[in-house]
Amino acid sequence: ILNVEQSPQSLHVQEGDSTNFTCSFPSSNFYALHWYRWETAKSPEALFVMTLNGDEKKKGRISATLNTKEGYSYLYIKGSQPEDSATYLCASFPYNQGGKLIFGQGTELSVKP
Amino acid sequence: DSGVTQTPKHLITATGQRVTLRCSPRSGDLSVYWYQQSLDQGLQFLIQYYNGEERAKGNILERFSAQQFPDLHSELNLSSLELGDSALYFCASSVAAGGVTEAFFGQGTRLTVV
Repeated sequence: ILNVEQSPQSLHVQEGDSTNFTCSFPSSNFYALHWYRWETAKSPEALFVMTLNGDEKKKGRISATLNTKEGYSYLYIKGSQPEDSATYLCASFPYNQGGKLIFGQGTELSVKP
Repeated sequence: DSGVTQTPKHLITATGQRVTLRCSPRSGDLSVYWYQQSLDQGLQFLIQYYNGEERAKGNILERFSAQQFPDLHSELNLSSLELGDSALYFCASSVAAGGVTEAFFGQGTRLTVV
């Protein structure tokens, strides 16, 4: 994997459903992985920064896991609410590319009441 | 409010012109990133500065340049503008240069080239 890839591109769920998204990144030069939440008409806001293989972080109903050896991270939302509707971005910070923070295209989540 | 200030919020200019976008990072943040978001595109990394020095360059056009000043604010200069340069330009700041701290984004400058 040369770039940061996210799947699915979009997701439509009902309120109360739990959901998860995937972020794939180059594992060979991994240094850090970021997750951001981007609401319409606002700017992206950080959720997590993860650096260690096997790391798991949690903020309320949102959690994330990291596998640096195989180059992927999962973001989970438990019991989705309409206010969770946003685009979720992940970004890779490779260790050998200066200061590049490279974003994926995002997963657009829509939660219907 | 992220603490990152971008000005102006909106800019409309003609092809061939030159514009300057300004970013004031959060107090204490030494690192500034610039991103471009065109229609249906994700956030494209342009350039990063840390404490006044350029640290990384992305797919930034030669017509574009940036700098970070001693007071840590940054400017992105776009010249010989083309219609395709119309986009939302974001600035983000973080404490460290090494990617282990979160980035805080400004509200963006929407550039429309007509």
